[in-house]
Amino acid sequence: GESVGLHLPTLSVQEGDNSIINCAYSNSASDYFIWYKQESGKGPQFIIDIRSNMDKRQGQRVTVLLNKTVKHLSLQIAATQPGDSAVYFCAEKRVGGTSYGKLTFGQGTILTVHP
Amino acid sequence: GAGVSQSPSNKVTEKGKDVELRCDPISGHTALYWYRQSLGQGLEFLIYFQGNSAPDKSGLPSDRFSAERTGGSVSTLTIQRTQQEDSAVYLCASSLGLAGGLREQYFGPGTRLTVT
Repeated sequence: GESVGLHLPTLSVQEGDNSIINCAYSNSASDYFIWYKQESGKGPQFIIDIRSNMDKRQGQRVTVLLNKTVKHLSLQIAATQPGDSAVYFCAEKRVGGTSYGKLTFGQGTILTVHP
Repeated sequence: GAGVSQSPSNKVTEKGKDVELRCDPISGHTALYWYRQSLGQGLEFLIYFQGNSAPDKSGLPSDRFSAERTGGSVSTLTIQRTQQEDSAVYLCASSLGLAGGLREQYFGPGTRLTVT
């Protein structure tokens, strides 16, 4: 069935290192992808998004890469800081049809940044 | 400005009781979503409302779950005859409207429901 999943459930890095969090999706018709950050006791917070007609998008210290050939999505965080420690979710949004607007989330990766 | 708020933040209830969870979306947001997050899991879509359109209830796990949105603003998620498997964090999100489904969703802090 359709799914959005993550390769690595946990990732530990040292402060200042770059972090890469991966995500796989199974539906080639997916149109839009989003990365969320969730800190303990809080709701998910939008980080960055990318549409299926793009393969790269950059934000502040973050870059999302989309490889449609292998249905793979990644989030790169530059110069990771302790405040980046959180659970990171990729999510898929299908535009149109009966699932118009709703998000399908992956399982999440726990990022721990050590000072 | 004020974000999405949810109440209560925590709810402990006995199996078989009914519970109501409340969501106040960001003012002016026409789309409202409910998700469920079980321990250590991703978010599971439950239901969404868009303006005056009929809600998409395709994610509700059983007929014990229902939701309504009054006046296009506040929403209530009701779980009847709660079961232990209903224990989870229930998250609400709102957005400015579908606009092709590409509007950012802003999440509230969630309500942690524990069914004993």
